[in-house]
Amino acid sequence: GAGVSQSPRYKVAKRGQDVALRCDPISGHVSLFWYQQALGQGPEFLTYFQNEAQLDKSGLPSDRFFAERPEGSVSTLKIQRTQQEDSAVYLCASSPGSMNTEAFFGQGTRLTVV
Amino acid sequence: GESVGLHLPTLSVQEGDNSIINCAYSNSASDYFIWYKQESGKGPQFIIDIRSNMDKRQGQRVTVLLNKTVKHLSLQIAATQPGDSAVYFCAENSGSGGGADGLTFGKGTHLIIQP
Repeated sequence: GAGVSQSPRYKVAKRGQDVALRCDPISGHVSLFWYQQALGQGPEFLTYFQNEAQLDKSGLPSDRFFAERPEGSVSTLKIQRTQQEDSAVYLCASSPGSMNTEAFFGQGTRLTVV
Repeated sequence: GESVGLHLPTLSVQEGDNSIINCAYSNSASDYFIWYKQESGKGPQFIIDIRSNMDKRQGQRVTVLLNKTVKHLSLQIAATQPGDSAVYFCAENSGSGGGADGLTFGKGTHLIIQP
């Protein structure tokens, strides 16, 4: 497809369960970002990849959160031992350049931890 | 506090009127700003951007104004239409690393278009 694709669109997890969220960026885009958006709030930065290199993970809230982009294309955000406060929409964005260029967002994955 | 914020959580305007959404930022090192539109259940959609070496940029029915002196950003939408109803976020990127490789978003303004 032409845009950023995320799957699944919705995920319900039991507390303590591990989850994996997938992001297919726009083909050829160098940069990939993950954001967390709580209800009624703006997106908050989690982590940033330039190709396969994770250049910034300062926004990851705890060591239960892990992201990878092994081949510089598809990325996976993994959350271990999910907790209720992890419930949010997780957005992925990609951009063609390395910095300060327009970022295109996917529709997000809505995670609900019960 | 918030690096980027918005003055009003909700803005209601009549269809056909012009609307102005405001944003204040505190990081004087920020050099790139974007306005995003987010409809319910969707990801943010790029509207318009502006770099710090400019003070105005125009798109189709939208204009972004940047006042670096008072660290203020605004989005003007001309002749609003029902499809403009959404939450609007301003975002900044200072590009200095340490979390700034991504964007910092404000809380958003919900624009409501009255028929």
